[in-house]
Amino acid sequence: DSGVTQTPKHLITATGQRVTLRCSPRSGDLSVYWYQQSLDQGLQFLIQYYNGEERAKGNILERFSAQQFPDLHSELNLSSLELGDSALYFCASSEGLAGSDTQYFGPGTRLTVL
Amino acid sequence: DAKTTQPPSMDCAEGRAANLPCNHSTISGNEYVYWYRQIHSQGPQYIIHGLKNNETNEMASLIITEDRKSSTLILPHATLRDTAVYYCIVRVLSSNTGKLIFGQGTTLQVKP
Repeated sequence: DSGVTQTPKHLITATGQRVTLRCSPRSGDLSVYWYQQSLDQGLQFLIQYYNGEERAKGNILERFSAQQFPDLHSELNLSSLELGDSALYFCASSEGLAGSDTQYFGPGTRLTVL
Repeated sequence: DAKTTQPPSMDCAEGRAANLPCNHSTISGNEYVYWYRQIHSQGPQYIIHGLKNNETNEMASLIITEDRKSSTLILPHATLRDTAVYYCIVRVLSSNTGKLIFGQGTTLQVKP
């Protein structure tokens, strides 16, 4: 158990819909990262927040957005869903920003868009 | 961040040492080598990391060549539960973002 929690574990929805994925970081960790893993793209970095502020952006679509709240939990919002958005979404957390900080991953949310 | 090259797949007999190579020939002096693994569709699991010295923890050993252009992850006594995809990642030490760039990794199959 990494200490990072994600809800829900599974999510099934239809095209065009909007969903929210939630992540609670390990106690004391200020950085939260979101990653997407699809069959054809592998594990890809989406976005990072540090202490409530956006810190880095990867290959995140404009239809996707995220935020980190004062209690440090984070939410990833996916809207106008398409079939290709079906994937595993992982959240990770680390203590700070340094490249030497170890990231710990949650169990993931499996999103299926029908 | 420097690019890494790993073999796509490897087999290992249960109880034997698994040696997973990684090439990172363009690594810079301020970049760490990190190893993660992903068992089936679980979240990636941190294994070990190092800068230039060999490192060992309860899970594995990391051997980094003197020129730092390649490294080997060693699982000393592989078990069936070590079957996973292993990712070698290079990260900038002083980066102000800790994002991880994953490659395709090595699928390790431990066989009885």
